[in-house]
Amino acid sequence: DAGVIQSPRHEVTEMGQEVTLRCKPISGHNSLFWYRQTMMRGLELLIYFNNNVPIDDSGMPEDRFSAKMPNASFSTLKIQPSEPRDSAVYFCASTSSPLYNEQFFGPGTRLTVL
Amino acid sequence: SQQGEEDPQALSIQEGENATMNCSYKTSINNLQWYRQNSGRGLVHLILIRSNEREKHSGRLRVTLDTSKKSSSLLITASRAADTASYFCATDQGNEKLTFGTGTRLTIIP
Repeated sequence: DAGVIQSPRHEVTEMGQEVTLRCKPISGHNSLFWYRQTMMRGLELLIYFNNNVPIDDSGMPEDRFSAKMPNASFSTLKIQPSEPRDSAVYFCASTSSPLYNEQFFGPGTRLTVL
Repeated sequence: SQQGEEDPQALSIQEGENATMNCSYKTSINNLQWYRQNSGRGLVHLILIRSNEREKHSGRLRVTLDTSKKSSSLLITASRAADTASYFCATDQGNEKLTFGTGTRLTIIP
């Protein structure tokens, strides 16, 4: 099992550019989560999907952030336009059962916005 | 906002000693989990304890839960250099949404 796959692993971009982060959950998992981790704010849940449907996007900071899950094996998190304060590590996680809530995390994408 | 607050924020101990980390939370929970994060990596699930359980063991890990005090502790016995990492508690309220604490950074000195 390959685990949760995220790409790119590192992204450096300039302020105002569009950034797209990608995630492939573990096959068979039906829930997918996007988190952001910074030193100041810790680990924050941005949005999560169940069976490809967004369930809770209350953590999405602004309209500049959007997320999609077109099918069970792929999700994107897009920031447009990006700002320096968006610099963080973005994690994707997936899980297969709401009753046993263990989440499996990807390696993360380290985003730097200059 | 962070549901859980870990204590201490940082802990350094000698290899072979036991390490204890604490987590406090604010609202009633369904389950509490502990995760480990090695530097530059994603989080890895360690153990889950349900709200009707008081203690759980897994290898060198021992977790306790006191729902009356809204707190949990993670004990790592006979620590090893490989245990150096950040440790996070995470709570849920009966759905899939986890709220993570602020983490304890554990350093094991060889």
